[in-house]
Amino acid sequence: QSALTQPASVSGSPGQSITISCTGTSSDIGGYNYVSWHQQHSGTAPKLMIYDVSYRPSGVSSRFSGSKSGNTASLTISGLRAEDEADYYCSSYTSSSTRVFGGGTKLTVL
Amino acid sequence: EVQLLESGGGLVQPGGSLRLSCVVTGFTFTNYAMSWVRQAPGKGLEWVSVTTGTGGRTYYADSVKGRFTISRDNSKNTLYLQLNSLRAEDTALYYCAREGGLVLISSLDYWGQGTLVTVSS
Repeated sequence: QSALTQPASVSGSPGQSITISCTGTSSDIGGYNYVSWHQQHSGTAPKLMIYDVSYRPSGVSSRFSGSKSGNTASLTISGLRAEDEADYYCSSYTSSSTRVFGGGTKLTVL
Repeated sequence: EVQLLESGGGLVQPGGSLRLSCVVTGFTFTNYAMSWVRQAPGKGLEWVSVTTGTGGRTYYADSVKGRFTISRDNSKNTLYLQLNSLRAEDTALYYCAREGGLVLISSLDYWGQGTLVTVSS
């Protein structure tokens, strides 16, 4: 159950777009379409932003989008805003009927 | 409104035990699988365990297998996590979360605010 691999940090200016990658294996990301992304602001509980690779829950801005290619999933945030500054975690279902998270990516809005 | 409220955390010595509870409101509890996720201070999220809506199937992370037990009482809308043989590395904020999809593990759509477990002598 090795953690999925995410960059430790990414940054962008307001209005720009950024992409966070999440790399796993054929036993997790590559094998299933159950990849999700969570946003976590400091001191608060995580919030679901993307599920099943590319679906947005009700109430989540269309500026957030998800995709997958092979063993790598991606989260793209367009039109960056100051309030997007947070930690982002990917997660996936695995072939062992467990869940694995990525190590998290700190997004800084410059 | 969906709400999840954890309790039961605290300070415990290495080798000790605790039972965490998560009371839920706002949805039909028995219809959903439920998970526990933890976060060590300053660290990332770590999935701990999941149970089906009936409690008939349970799965664990390797790091807690054989020491932690997930269970639920659907008559009380309550999810539990029994923590035994606790180690310093189990120190974390423990969240309960709802599995919102149609399969056992798909998306954690609602989370509680967490209960803090500290393992220290």
